[in-house]
Amino acid sequence: TQLLEQSPQFLSIQEGENLTVYCNSSSVFSSLQWYRQEPGEGPVLLVTVVTGGEVKKLKRLTFQFGDARKDSSLHITAAQPGDTGLYLCAEDYSGGYQKVTFGTGTKLQVIP
Amino acid sequence: DTGVSQNPRHKITKRGQNVTFRCDPISEHNRLYWYRQTLGQGPEFLTYFQNEAQLEKSRLLSDRFSAERPKGSFSTLEIQRTEQGDSAMYLCASSPGQTRNTEAFFGQGTRLTVV
Repeated sequence: TQLLEQSPQFLSIQEGENLTVYCNSSSVFSSLQWYRQEPGEGPVLLVTVVTGGEVKKLKRLTFQFGDARKDSSLHITAAQPGDTGLYLCAEDYSGGYQKVTFGTGTKLQVIP
Repeated sequence: DTGVSQNPRHKITKRGQNVTFRCDPISEHNRLYWYRQTLGQGPEFLTYFQNEAQLEKSRLLSDRFSAERPKGSFSTLEIQRTEQGDSAMYLCASSPGQTRNTEAFFGQGTRLTVV
């Protein structure tokens, strides 16, 4: 099972600022998912990226999959307090089984 | 369908007691997962079912932990002789079918506190 490292671990920014969080692996991803988790809730899927170099946009969120499929980034433009949460990258095919393996997470706080 | 349901939402138990959690997945979802999450960390994989078959167990799942999914529908996770280190959020998720790149839908979790 590969290790998914996320950075930064914590991020506190003012409303309106831009930010980027990263997800890296020592191995090639088959595909990669990004989730957001709010306190007291389970993670909710934001996007799945499959092809190296792929870019997907979800309103103010831009997701990029590295060309070599070993890294991914999530960029948020003009962050809002509602973006506050734990952002998790995950691989959905690990060790020969279709299970979801999560990264270490980035905890984002957007201050009004 | 109201999504993945977990019960109870919160459980406080004394060290050494046994606890059992229940997960009801989304109807007709073949895959069911159990995860453990400590504060501020990503969920850690515990075990995974494809229908009623338990296909993989993490090394985190010591012999005090057992999970079942007897009819391929709901699942239970039992922890025997609980320890303070078992305190965490226990998350259940389900996903449909046999294909890859499918979304895992999570429940709200059961928060366990061992005192």
